[in-house]
Amino acid sequence: AQSVTQPDIHITVSEGASLELRCNYSYGATPYLFWYVQSPGQGLQLLLKYFSGDTLVQGIKGFEAEFKRSQSSFNLRKPSVHWSDAAEYFCAVGGGFTNAGKSTFGDGTTLTVKP
Amino acid sequence: ETGVTQSPTHLIKTRGQQVTLRCSSQSGHNTVSWYQQALGQGPQFIFQYYREEENGRGNFPPRFSGLQFPNYSSELNVNALELDDSALYLCASSFTGGRYSPLHFGNGTRLTVT
Repeated sequence: AQSVTQPDIHITVSEGASLELRCNYSYGATPYLFWYVQSPGQGLQLLLKYFSGDTLVQGIKGFEAEFKRSQSSFNLRKPSVHWSDAAEYFCAVGGGFTNAGKSTFGDGTTLTVKP
Repeated sequence: ETGVTQSPTHLIKTRGQQVTLRCSSQSGHNTVSWYQQALGQGPQFIFQYYREEENGRGNFPPRFSGLQFPNYSSELNVNALELDDSALYLCASSFTGGRYSPLHFGNGTRLTVT
């Protein structure tokens, strides 16, 4: 069975500092990996995805993520955090190339940005 | 382009009652997925509808059921509500047709069961 673990429930960073959110997955085949962001009262927005190829993927809002098969990880990074990045971040696995709708999500990491 | 819309926004029901949640998919999309997001947790896949048929189901009991209509909109029905059904219910639409299509989420329906 597929699963996702986000070890950090809550992270606080200062504005302008770098950010790394951790994600570990379990999946029986080549994983399809996603990062989503959820602001209060909103649905989820896709930040980036990995299907194959280059293990460093770029997304929207200046985010990037690196796929490491040997560590079963797909960590999200941003070089300089803005106050508007405060939100909840979810890593997800599975769903497939043509069917992202059956994904398994982690429990999320809440990001707080200090001024 | 019209995004995914869900109704109602909030709902309060009593244990044992039945509830229907509605979702209009984004234009051009033919697939709808439903997720349950309990407080402090990530979304959990309930089921997906494609071509008006259920096309995959997560670990949810049969009292969770759904429909998809010819215009690709969808309903989620929950019978015999339990307190643990209190959650944010998210609908997401996408296109199934041989190419990658990201999920587009609605803002959800907040269901409270008392």
